[in-house]
Amino acid sequence: AQRVTQPEKLLSVFKGAPVELKCNYSYSGSPELFWYVQYSRQRLQLLLRHISRESIKGFTADLNKGETSFHLKKPFAQEEDSAMYYCALSGDNYGQNFVFGPGTRLSVLP
Amino acid sequence: DAGVTQSPTHLIKTRGQQVTLRCSPKSGHDTVSWYQQALGQGPQFIFQYYEEEERQRGNFPDRFSGHQFPNYSSELNVNALLLGDSALYLCASSSVSRALADTQYFGPGTRLTVL
Repeated sequence: AQRVTQPEKLLSVFKGAPVELKCNYSYSGSPELFWYVQYSRQRLQLLLRHISRESIKGFTADLNKGETSFHLKKPFAQEEDSAMYYCALSGDNYGQNFVFGPGTRLSVLP
Repeated sequence: DAGVTQSPTHLIKTRGQQVTLRCSPKSGHDTVSWYQQALGQGPQFIFQYYEEEERQRGNFPDRFSGHQFPNYSSELNVNALLLGDSALYLCASSSVSRALADTQYFGPGTRLTVL
């Protein structure tokens, strides 16, 4: 069964400090992994997906199949990064469910 | 483009009643997915509609049903409401044939409260 875990419900860091939001998954095939973000009073939106290998707003995420992880990282946190972050997985077979983790609330302190 | 829109914004029902939620996809999208997000949890996949048919379904009872119209808009129906159905219901739209793994654009959600 597909499953996504995010061990931290809340992560607080100071502005300028590095950030790492953890995401682990379980899936027997080759998954596609995503990070979605929800800023205060805004809708859920895609931040990045692993197949794009992009850096969005300074965030990067590397898929580690050996550790079944897809941690989100940013070297220097900004106050505007404060938001709810969700890791999500989609299976490689047609019609597989899209599974979200429980989310981590990132709070960047001034 | 207003993006994905949902109506109503909020809804209060009592146990046993039935409810219908509506979603209009982003322009150019042909696939609609519905999610339930309970307080403090991530969204849970309910089902997806493409070409007016239910394409994939998550672990939800038959009380949850849906429909997609020729203009790609969609409805989510929940019968015999339970207290546990209280949640934020999210609609997401996407396009291309392998839509489930493609970027999904989310609506603002409908907050359902069951008393």
